[in-house]
Amino acid sequence: NAGVTQTPKFQVLKTGQSMTLQCAQDMNHNSMYWYRQDPGMGLRLIYYSASEGTTDKGEVPNGYNVSRLNKREFSLRLESAAPSQTSVYFCASSEANGRGGYTFGSGTRLTVV
Amino acid sequence: GENVEQHPSTLSVQEGDSAVIKCTYSDSASNYFPWYKQELGKRPQLIIDIRSNVGEKKDQRIAVTLNKTAKHFSLHITETQPEDSAVYFCAASTPNQAGTALIFGKGTTLSVSS
Repeated sequence: NAGVTQTPKFQVLKTGQSMTLQCAQDMNHNSMYWYRQDPGMGLRLIYYSASEGTTDKGEVPNGYNVSRLNKREFSLRLESAAPSQTSVYFCASSEANGRGGYTFGSGTRLTVV
Repeated sequence: GENVEQHPSTLSVQEGDSAVIKCTYSDSASNYFPWYKQELGKRPQLIIDIRSNVGEKKDQRIAVTLNKTAKHFSLHITETQPEDSAVYFCAASTPNQAGTALIFGKGTTLSVSS
């Protein structure tokens, strides 16, 4: 039982490059989330998916797109990476309406140069 | 949307002392308030949570209190130990037609010295 798995763990991109961060959960959770964590800023919500087939913007959605591929997988795409997107990205999942708390993945450390 | 303020940003205590972290939220519709602990280089982990129909919840050395009227909630850690040193985040969950998602405070770095 792996919980929430994120890939890759580390990535360096050049400004303007694109990439997709992958997230998969094996807990049969309905809801999935993407957060970014920057020093002194806490965890800021980028996008979330309350259930399969739905996605919604969070606090800082600009520059990102998401896809809820199926119940297990929720990907985050950077179409044209910018240095301001250098951050640690966490994926999380939960039962519907956050019951039982969130389970976080181990994070992806992204550097845009 | 929801806004969560957390204080203090840093907190240093001696081993055995108590630590209190306070959060306020803006959306009166918020109904779920978890606390997460994040050790250096690791993922956040849920340590305790409270729902809006409860005023206080305790789990061993950790307790959370909620004042819905004032829209604030607090984390209390008693008999602190060095392994309590970490960053603590409060969060509030606001339901809307798309579902719910947690909005986090900016975190409190707790240092417990022995």
